[in-house]
Amino acid sequence: EVQLVESGGGLVQPGGSLRLSCTTSGFTFSDDWMSWVRQAPGKGLEWVANIRQDGSEKFYVDSVKGRFTISRDNAKNSLYLQMNSLRAEDTATYYCARDGDSGSYLNSWGQGTLVTVSS
Amino acid sequence: DIVMTQSPDSLAVSLGGRATINCKSSQTVLYSSNNKNYLAWYQQKPGQPPKLLITWASTRESGVPDRFSGSGSGTDFTLTLSSLQAEDVAVYYCQQYYTTPITFGQGTRLEIK
Repeated sequence: EVQLVESGGGLVQPGGSLRLSCTTSGFTFSDDWMSWVRQAPGKGLEWVANIRQDGSEKFYVDSVKGRFTISRDNAKNSLYLQMNSLRAEDTATYYCARDGDSGSYLNSWGQGTLVTVSS
Repeated sequence: DIVMTQSPDSLAVSLGGRATINCKSSQTVLYSSNNKNYLAWYQQKPGQPPKLLITWASTRESGVPDRFSGSGSGTDFTLTLSSLQAEDVAVYYCQQYYTTPITFGQGTRLEIK
């Protein structure tokens, strides 16, 4: 069974940093692109970033470029999102998701971790 | 960026009835070299992560009931739910994966009338 479990969310002050983790099991992690998607409270879905299987390519939505960094550790079957210079508008549930094998549709999702940016 | 616009924002359908959700992209998501539409549909129930329903505009994921169907090409797409069941109450999103940034529609809330 495919499982993705996010952790690392919490309350952080504006300008602060947080590192999210996603631990995976049930599939060959190193075979797949992986993504982070976020959802502000009561709002829709926003793709944040994705990363190639070997970490050699990374893409970001403009609103997080220069502040967030996606990374992975294939030996640990884990995905990460380092978030710096956090803003109130980054408040959201952050989901880890597995990209499809032939395109960036997202075929497996974690339950999400809530990040709240507030003073 | 490709903007995805869904309509309506919400709709109410009777049990057993038919629901139609539309999704329009600001530019084509049809890749000419393979004639595939890079368009997916998701269902999100309250308190749950999204669930992938359909890829390539019309290919149902394994285990998705056949009352869910997707159609369209280029810039105009439709998700149809025939014979609505109570468990279909959810928010539905379209998503393009033709190019980055990957973008979603704003969502359509489906309720029972």
